[in-house]
Order: sequence, then structure tokens, then C-alpha cells
Amino acid sequence: DTGVSQNPRHKITKRGQNVTFRCDPISEHNRLYWYRQTLGQGPEFLTYFQNEAQLEKSRLLSDRFSAERPKGSFSTLEIQRTEQGDSAMYLCASSLEVAQPQHFGDGTRLSIL
Amino acid sequence: SQKIEQNSEALNIQEGKTATLTCNYTNYSPAYLQWYRQDPGRGPVFLLLIRENEKEKRKERLKVTFDTTLKQSLFHITASQPADSATYLCALLHGSSNTGKLIFGQGTTLQVKP
Repeated sequence: DTGVSQNPRHKITKRGQNVTFRCDPISEHNRLYWYRQTLGQGPEFLTYFQNEAQLEKSRLLSDRFSAERPKGSFSTLEIQRTEQGDSAMYLCASSLEVAQPQHFGDGTRLSIL
Repeated sequence: SQKIEQNSEALNIQEGKTATLTCNYTNYSPAYLQWYRQDPGRGPVFLLLIRENEKEKRKERLKVTFDTTLKQSLFHITASQPADSATYLCALLHGSSNTGKLIFGQGTTLQVKP
């Protein structure tokens, strides 16, 4: 399977804990995006990487959120001191060029107890 | 303010009919607009892309139109089947963006009844 892979698929944690998600994009794609989706809404942009450089961050990405893409391959999204409002589906997407379709993974569903 | 809106009410149609979904936007100048399909618990899957200088795009039973004057895109599924039941998302790339980030509508759920 050469699609976008995300792990874990589900994460349940207590409020205040730290969580980390991983995204493996399609191998030849240099552009990688993180989005967040809540029930009944479309995905909202969080951050963008071109290769290993993080070039744009949304105002949604508070200082509790950090994302990395070491060596321009896989990416991680970490949330520190989780809050109830962080409960959502976190989606990763990759693409080859700006004007090309984005290929999404199946997301990580985060539930905060 | 900038908005991208899809009909939030679910669309219920009979198998074999044509489904038409609407996407309206305000205060954007999209370079292009994309349509995605999303099934429950899964990520969005790309369907069609239409650029600002194109009026219409087709792929098998799917057709997308783009009217930059009306600031509207229509998505049609002809000869609909129960397997077409899903949520359909429109997404636009703002013309000034060089990162490719997409702005999504909230999605419209389509239910095709046999």
C-alpha cells in the first residue's frame, strides 16, 4: 500500500497528558499537511511542511502543539497538556505540487477523557 | 469575512437519479476548487479538481462546474447508486496561497436509497 499512513488510528488519553501522532506520506511527495476535523465539520488546516521545513502554521496551532518532519520524510504532531477541546480527528495529507490533489490518511481519532 | 459553505442538510435521493451538491464561497479568489468524498471514520478521498479558468470537468458519472462570477461550484453524480452514499467536501485553494493549504466546506451528506 503506497498511500498515506497514520498511526495510531485511535488514541484515548486523560486530560493533561501528552500525545504524539505519526504520519508517513507517499514517498515521493515533498509537501505534507496536517488538518484537524471535528464532527460535522470539514478539515481545518493546522500546518504545512515542504520537505523538512515547516513553512506555515495556523493560528489554531497553539503553543501546546508542535510538529516536525525530520529529514523530510515522516512527520509527527505532538500535543502537550491535552485539553477536552483537543478531541478531534487529526488528518495528514501529502502532495507533489501546489496544484495537485492532496492524498489523505485515515487520520488519528483523539479522545480526551 | 471569508466563508465557504455547503448545504449542511443531508441530501436524500432515489437510486438512478442525479445528485447535485452546491458549494458557495465569499471573499476568496480561488485558484482552483477540489471535491472530495469522505466515508465515516476514513480520510477524504480526492475526486475532481477544477481550475479558475475552467467551466466544467467530468469523470465517469461525476461532473463539476465552477462559476467564478456566482462564486459557486456544483457537483453532480448521475445515475446515482447506494454506494455513492457518503459525505462530499468541497475545498478551495486561495489564489494567493503558495503553500497549497486547502480551505474546506463543512460537507454535505448524500444518502442514495435503493
